[in-house]
Amino acid sequence: GAVVSQHPSWVICKSGTSVKIECRSLDFQATTMFWYRQFPKQSLMLMATSNEGSKATYEQGVEKDKFLINHASLTLSTLTVTSAHPEDSSFYICSARGTGSVQFFGPGTRLTVL
Amino acid sequence: QQQVKQSPQSLIVQKGGIPIINCAYENTAFDYFPWYQQFPGKGPALLIAIRPDVSEKKEGRFTISFNKSAKQFSLHIMDSQPGDSATYFCAATIYGNKLVFGAGTILRVKS
Repeated sequence: GAVVSQHPSWVICKSGTSVKIECRSLDFQATTMFWYRQFPKQSLMLMATSNEGSKATYEQGVEKDKFLINHASLTLSTLTVTSAHPEDSSFYICSARGTGSVQFFGPGTRLTVL
Repeated sequence: QQQVKQSPQSLIVQKGGIPIINCAYENTAFDYFPWYQQFPGKGPALLIAIRPDVSEKKEGRFTISFNKSAKQFSLHIMDSQPGDSATYFCAATIYGNKLVFGAGTILRVKS
């Protein structure tokens, strides 16, 4: 159990376009979902926390107008990178938490902006 | 106070050896300490976790030792195998909220 999926697993887009990444909890209801960004050989950096039906809470330094997060249901959260630029290229990972303390991570989405 | 310090940065052991990864924290409000294993290009996978009222926890070949007074915890991998070669992250959280990650340890197990 406790499976989290992400789609797409990788995406290449042109500079200036928007990209949407989906995160789904497949076998449990996620009261809270988290979005992380990871650069090569670095640790995970939390971007934002979202609770179902509420506005996301963004970490300091993360532009909320650039990284739009929607958590419309207990099994789905989306991250939209708006007007993507090459510096937004990264590995984006979501995690989901049910009623306990454990966060389960998705497989990640590799975004490359040309 | 929100940091989790992890060491070493990298580690090489022979097959069958016991790599040990250490983490230290400051915030005594942390109540849950998970370890994650990450392979290149994949998301982190939960390995094992512990709460501060327990001094040791074993799951298969993985053991967490927890020293509450020293605010330190460590991961031991028994009988390590080449397939254990990965990056390991310790983390800490307060009731499952924001996870504070260590910097990660790159483990290589030589066959």
